[in-house]
Amino acid sequence: GAGVSQSPSNKVTEKGKDVELRCDPISGHTALYWYRQSLGQGLEFLIYFQGNSAPDKSGLPSDRFSAERTGGSVSTLTIQRTQQEDSAVYLCASSLNPFGNTIYFGEGSWLTVV
Amino acid sequence: AQRVTQPEKLLSVFKGAPVELKCNYSYSGSPELFWYVQYSRQRLQLLLRHISRESIKGFTADLNKGETSFHLKKPFAQEEDSAMYYCALSTSGTYKYIFGTGTRLKVLA
Repeated sequence: GAGVSQSPSNKVTEKGKDVELRCDPISGHTALYWYRQSLGQGLEFLIYFQGNSAPDKSGLPSDRFSAERTGGSVSTLTIQRTQQEDSAVYLCASSLNPFGNTIYFGEGSWLTVV
Repeated sequence: AQRVTQPEKLLSVFKGAPVELKCNYSYSGSPELFWYVQYSRQRLQLLLRHISRESIKGFTADLNKGETSFHLKKPFAQEEDSAMYYCALSTSGTYKYIFGTGTRLKVLA
């Protein structure tokens, strides 16, 4: 595709509900990243995929967070039993391959937990 | 541990004044450094990377390994430069990009 595509762009959910955020990376990009951007904070690394594998899940804040990637393309970030502190912008990015390559960001999914 | 520090959360300058956005990193190996910018209502995008040694929109950044810095500079700020700027570090042999907390630049008329 022309760029990294994320959906939904905005999501308001009730505390305790599960949410799924989707990322469609640039075609041919093997590396995919999820970041979280909270108000007044920087970009917090969540997880990285190389192909369908996630070598590093250490950034996931808790076991309520999980992510998968299928077919080396689309990725889904799932947050179970959402809490108010999960409210943030979730950014997906992709790059042709890791290290030293430019990463291209999506527009983000703005999650509000009420 | 690798770290990127941007000490200023907000930097306000007048149009035409010089700008310097500070970035310091902590990494013992050979770093790859980037500046990303986010304009209002737009996605985060690459501004420049140190390996390219290029000037984008009048901005330059020089890697100073002695001071472990990668400050972003522009001699004459423009109003359209107002945005959020993030410094990022990519470390040798890994995929991980580490971002600073960002500096909001406001260029006043």
